[in-house]
Amino acid sequence: AQSVAQPEDQVNVAEGNPLTVKCTYSVSGNPYLFWYVQYPNRGLQFLLKYITGDNLVKGSYGFEAEFNKSQTSFHLKKPSALVSDSALYFCAVRDPRTGGFKTIFGAGTRLFVKA
Amino acid sequence: DTGVSQDPRHKITKRGQNVTFRCDPISEHNRLYWYRQTLGQGPEFLTYFQNEAQLEKSRLLSDRFSAERPKGSFSTLEIQRTEQGDSAMYLCASSFGQENTEAFFGQGTRLTVV
Repeated sequence: AQSVAQPEDQVNVAEGNPLTVKCTYSVSGNPYLFWYVQYPNRGLQFLLKYITGDNLVKGSYGFEAEFNKSQTSFHLKKPSALVSDSALYFCAVRDPRTGGFKTIFGAGTRLFVKA
Repeated sequence: DTGVSQDPRHKITKRGQNVTFRCDPISEHNRLYWYRQTLGQGPEFLTYFQNEAQLEKSRLLSDRFSAERPKGSFSTLEIQRTEQGDSAMYLCASSFGQENTEAFFGQGTRLTVV
């Protein structure tokens, strides 16, 4: 069965420091991987996705993520955190082999960036 | 492009009552999804439409839940005989294109069953 794990409930980082939000998945084959961000009182917003090709993908607001097939991971990164990055981040996976468009989300990681 | 809109934003209902939520997707999007999100959890997939056809339903979707997308545009999600465990945020999303395209989410309808 497909699953996504975000091992950290919360990540704390100082403004200007690099940040990493971890994600591992359990899907055989070559999954499609996504990161979304949720700000208070706003819907989930798409950040970036990995489909194929270069393992390092770049997305919105300076975020990037690295796909590692051997470790089945898709960690979200940013070189220099901003206070405004504080939000709830969700990793998600879609298995193209099973067809359909069902997307499985992780439980989320709250990022807190301190000024 | 006004994005995905959901109505109402909040709903408080008594246990046993029926409720219906509406979702208007982005106009050119042919795929529409419903998710449920409880506190401290990520969105859980409920069901998915391609145009007016409901192609997949989660086992989470009990017989009390029904979703429709009659003309391939807006969708409704109805919960009959609500229970306290139905209290959650109900999210709608839409997308267009291949399986690798991202979905765009609405702000959700928060349901509280008292």
